[in-house]
Amino acid sequence: SQTIHQWPATLVQPVGSPLSLECTVEGTSNPNLYWYRQAAGRGLQLLFYSVGIGQISSEVPQNLSASRPQDRQFILSSKKLLLSDSGFYLCAWSVPGQGNYGYTFGSGTRLTVV
Amino acid sequence: AQSVAQPEDQVNVAEGNPLTVKCTYSVSGNPYLFWYVQYPNRGLQFLLKYITGDNLVKGSYGFEAEFNKSQTSFHLKKPSALVSDSALYFCAVRDMFSGGYNKLIFGAGTRLAVHP
Repeated sequence: SQTIHQWPATLVQPVGSPLSLECTVEGTSNPNLYWYRQAAGRGLQLLFYSVGIGQISSEVPQNLSASRPQDRQFILSSKKLLLSDSGFYLCAWSVPGQGNYGYTFGSGTRLTVV
Repeated sequence: AQSVAQPEDQVNVAEGNPLTVKCTYSVSGNPYLFWYVQYPNRGLQFLLKYITGDNLVKGSYGFEAEFNKSQTSFHLKKPSALVSDSALYFCAVRDMFSGGYNKLIFGAGTRLAVHP
């Protein structure tokens, strides 16, 4: 069966420090991968998606970047964190082209920038 | 433009009473519709989906949803609410123009509070 792992679960970082959040998927190959941010416990904002290794698309301009160095690994990064980067970050995967399966989400990372 | 709306920020219901969480959509063609639930500090969990077929879809934890094409709605329902159903609920629709990218458009979420 497929599983998705996201870590760390919580993170407190000072302003201006770097960031690296990691997401890995097991039990499938060539998944579509997504990074979302959820602010204030409500709506989801799609940050990045990837349909393959090295293929990253950004939905919104921001202080963050994403990379996909391996087929089932998706990394969210920042060189210098801002206070506004605080939030709950969610990774998700889906079967490519199979819109009837929806997404499977990771357990999330709570990032607090202080 | 394709979209999904959840008109209620919060729904309050007494334990044991039926609950409804509303969702309306606007897409071209036949929609793929989903409901997800999120408990505090957790990821979203899949509840149910409508792709085709019977308009009444049954899902996890006793939830069901009714697809109504004429009203472009996909309301989530449960006959008897539990306190443990208290959570944040998201409706989503597949963006039919996203191709292999398989983009889902999420609603803003509705917080369900079930009171003892």
